[in-house]
Amino acid sequence: DVKVTQSSRYLVKRTGEKVFLECVQDMDHENMFWYRQDPGLGLRLIYFSYDVKMKEKGDIPEGYSVSREKKERFSLILESASTNQTSMYLCASSEGSATNEKLFFGSGTQLSVL
Amino acid sequence: GENVEQHPSTLSVQEGDSAVIKCTYSDSASNYFPWYKQELGKRPQLIIDIRSNVGEKKDQRIAVTLNKTAKHFSLHITETQPEDSAVYFCAARRGGGNKLTFGTGTQLKVEL
Repeated sequence: DVKVTQSSRYLVKRTGEKVFLECVQDMDHENMFWYRQDPGLGLRLIYFSYDVKMKEKGDIPEGYSVSREKKERFSLILESASTNQTSMYLCASSEGSATNEKLFFGSGTQLSVL
Repeated sequence: GENVEQHPSTLSVQEGDSAVIKCTYSDSASNYFPWYKQELGKRPQLIIDIRSNVGEKKDQRIAVTLNKTAKHFSLHITETQPEDSAVYFCAARRGGGNKLTFGTGTQLKVEL
């Protein structure tokens, strides 16, 4: 079974702090994604990566950056955390083939910015 | 970019009844439409998907229909059971890309 592991389940940070959210997958997937989930807004794509060192902006990239130095690891960085970034963050990965596009999600990180 | 609208936001049905969730999309180049189920406190999981060359797909009690002309697709759950209670998300992906755009979710409650 594919395992997508997010480093923290709950995180509390202060406004202005630099925050790192880590995600690791163990199935050699090409694609990795960061979503945030807010009530009534669904899942919104922040950034995704289709290869090592490659990244593309999603729908809401402002205030975030990402890093993918190794295939299995995709990091989300909040350069200067703000209260409106309080949210549930979900990492996901997929095989990247045209016939198998299933997303495997991590269990999420609930980030609170005070 | 793609915009996916999902209705209703909440749906309550009696056990054994059918449930229907509807989504519309804006980008006519979208060709892949998955549905994800998220139980309370758990991660979203794929339950069924459909591609634009198919009008309908079934998997036991779950079916998805696609109307490309009208740019809408629907999830149908028959003989609902309490374990079907969850949030359901539809999504759409433009052909040739990796980016999935999700709807805002439907909270389905199956009452005994």
